[in-house]
Amino acid sequence: QLQLQESGPGLVKPSETLSLTCTVSGGSLSNSLYFWGWIRQPPGKGLEWIGSGYYSGSTYYNPSLKSRVTISLDTSKNQFSLKLSSVTAADTAVYYCARDQEENFDYWGQGTLVTVSS
Amino acid sequence: SYELTQPPSVSVSPGQTASITCSGDKLGDRYACWYQQKPGQSPVLVIYQDTKRPSGIPERFSGSNSGNTATLTISGTQTMDEADYYCQAWDSSTRVFGGGTKLTVL
Repeated sequence: QLQLQESGPGLVKPSETLSLTCTVSGGSLSNSLYFWGWIRQPPGKGLEWIGSGYYSGSTYYNPSLKSRVTISLDTSKNQFSLKLSSVTAADTAVYYCARDQEENFDYWGQGTLVTVSS
Repeated sequence: SYELTQPPSVSVSPGQTASITCSGDKLGDRYACWYQQKPGQSPVLVIYQDTKRPSGIPERFSGSNSGNTATLTISGTQTMDEADYYCQAWDSSTRVFGGGTKLTVL
């Protein structure tokens, strides 16, 4: 059974860079059938796709966040990561990692709350 | 950029049929999927490729997609179906979510 687990700091200061890692077990990041994505959900609000990466190194980002986002995959560790720069309070959210089939996300992590505050 | 629009809320009585819509330009020309999210939990895929149910999803969940509207239908709605529901589609390598619909069963 595929499992995904997010990890990283729960508190980030304004203007700094948010960094999260998703560890995948029960499946391989090198599987050519799938992308690996990040989605976030501000408290009390809806889901927002941040971006997705592919084992080959290809990445796709939400145009509204593209200038601040980097997603990378480490197939040797079966992990992928998210970096979001210049954060503000508006970036406070639960961040999810998920397996991405382009048309849908079929497996999700449990999510991790990241608060942006000084 | 592509947008998907959902009603903020839908109410249904137990045992009745609930329908949640998702509207987008020529949405019927691409695949739509649906997620269920209960409070404090991660979203769960309940419908993919317009009409297909993942393993373990009850048969009372069904989907359709035509023209500009995709619809999630829950037949014989149960109190356990009370949740937020999100549609999602794919457009030019961009994944797009609808704003979500809160389904109340009362």
